Amino acid sequence: AQRVTQPEKLLSVFKGAPVELKCNYSYSGSPELFWYVQYSRQRLQLLLRHISRESIKGFTADLNKGETSFHLKKPFAQEEDSAMYYCALISNFGNEKLTFGTGTRLTIIP
Amino acid sequence: DTGVSQDPRHKITKRGQNVTFRCDPISEHNRLYWYRQTLGQGPEFLTYFQNEAQLEKSRLLSDRFSAERPKGSFSTLEIQRTEQGDSAMYLCASSFNELAGGREQFFGPGTRLTVL
Repeated sequence: AQRVTQPEKLLSVFKGAPVELKCNYSYSGSPELFWYVQYSRQRLQLLLRHISRESIKGFTADLNKGETSFHLKKPFAQEEDSAMYYCALISNFGNEKLTFGTGTRLTIIP
Repeated sequence: DTGVSQDPRHKITKRGQNVTFRCDPISEHNRLYWYRQTLGQGPEFLTYFQNEAQLEKSRLLSDRFSAERPKGSFSTLEIQRTEQGDSAMYLCASSFNELAGGREQFFGPGTRLTVL
């Protein structure tokens, strides 16, 4: 069974400080990994996915297959980064369901 | 707004009543998903459709739950004989089946169900 673990429910970081949101997964195959974000009073939206290798809003995430991790990082936090962040995966065997972690609420302290 | 829409946004019902939710996906998207989210949890998969065919159902989807997508466009999720444990946010998402490049799902605003 596939599972996504986000160990921190809450994370507070000062503005300008680095941010790292942790995500570990368990899956026997090669999944596709995503980070979704939900800003206050907005819908869930895709932030980035590992196959695109993009930096979105200054965030990056590297898939580490050895450690089965997909941590989200940003070197300098901004106040507008305060939101709920969910790590999620899709298997690569035709199963299209997203399996989400429990989420991390990130608060940027001015 | 050309995004995924859901109706109603909020529903309060009494235990034992039936409720139906509607989801309108992005028009060119052929895949439609339903998820349920309870407090403090991430969304949990319920079911998904490719066009009008329901391809997978989670074990979370008991016999009281039924979903349809009759013409491959909008979808409905019905819960019969609601129970207090059904109280949750019900999310709909849609995507386009790409052969390559990732499978981004676009989410609607959700329907919040409260069962009294």
